[in-house]
Amino acid sequence: NAGVMQNPRHLVRRRGQEARLRCSPMKGHSHVYWYRQLPEEGLKFMVYLQKENIIDESGMPKERFSAEFPKEGPSILRIQQVVRGDSAAYFCASSGTGAATGELFFGEGSRLTVL
Amino acid sequence: SQKIEQNSEALNIQEGKTATLTCNYTNYSPAYLQWYRQDPGRGPVFLLLIRENEKEKRKERLKVTFDTTLKQSLFHITASQPADSATYLCALPTDSWGKLQFGAGTQVVVTP
Repeated sequence: NAGVMQNPRHLVRRRGQEARLRCSPMKGHSHVYWYRQLPEEGLKFMVYLQKENIIDESGMPKERFSAEFPKEGPSILRIQQVVRGDSAAYFCASSGTGAATGELFFGEGSRLTVL
Repeated sequence: SQKIEQNSEALNIQEGKTATLTCNYTNYSPAYLQWYRQDPGRGPVFLLLIRENEKEKRKERLKVTFDTTLKQSLFHITASQPADSATYLCALPTDSWGKLQFGAGTQVVVTP
């Protein structure tokens, strides 16, 4: 029973390039969350998605960032025209429909380095 | 605004002793509170959830208390082992299901 799968684990981009981070939730989970963790800081909520719907994107920067969770395939977090400040670990988490505990299952993260 | 505070200083403790971590929050009335463990370079792993009507919860060598009057949760690791060395995060739900806000975490270092 595979857990939350994220790829790539490490990504290096130059300023101005695009970064695409992928997340496959645990089997049977339909809720996906993206969090960002800056060095020496805590996890910050970015966006909450269900299949084909963005439920809450209150933590997403207004520009350059977008997320999707299509009917088929993984959830994608896309960062356009990356800047050095985007360097961080991006974690995806999933939870099951109607989960009583609210427990989140996290992937191992994608570490973005912007040169 | 909602705020979660955890002790930012690392907790250094000798093997076999009890580690106690604190999580304080303001401007919240959470229905539950969660604790996660995070190892370097890894994703957080869920440990325990305690509901607002529960005073205490245990899981093996872990114990969590939840005082909604003080707006505080205490996380205890009894008979600590070097393998318990990690950063421990507390998390509270915000305004939508599963949208958790995390504290910055407290690093625990257990020495033999």
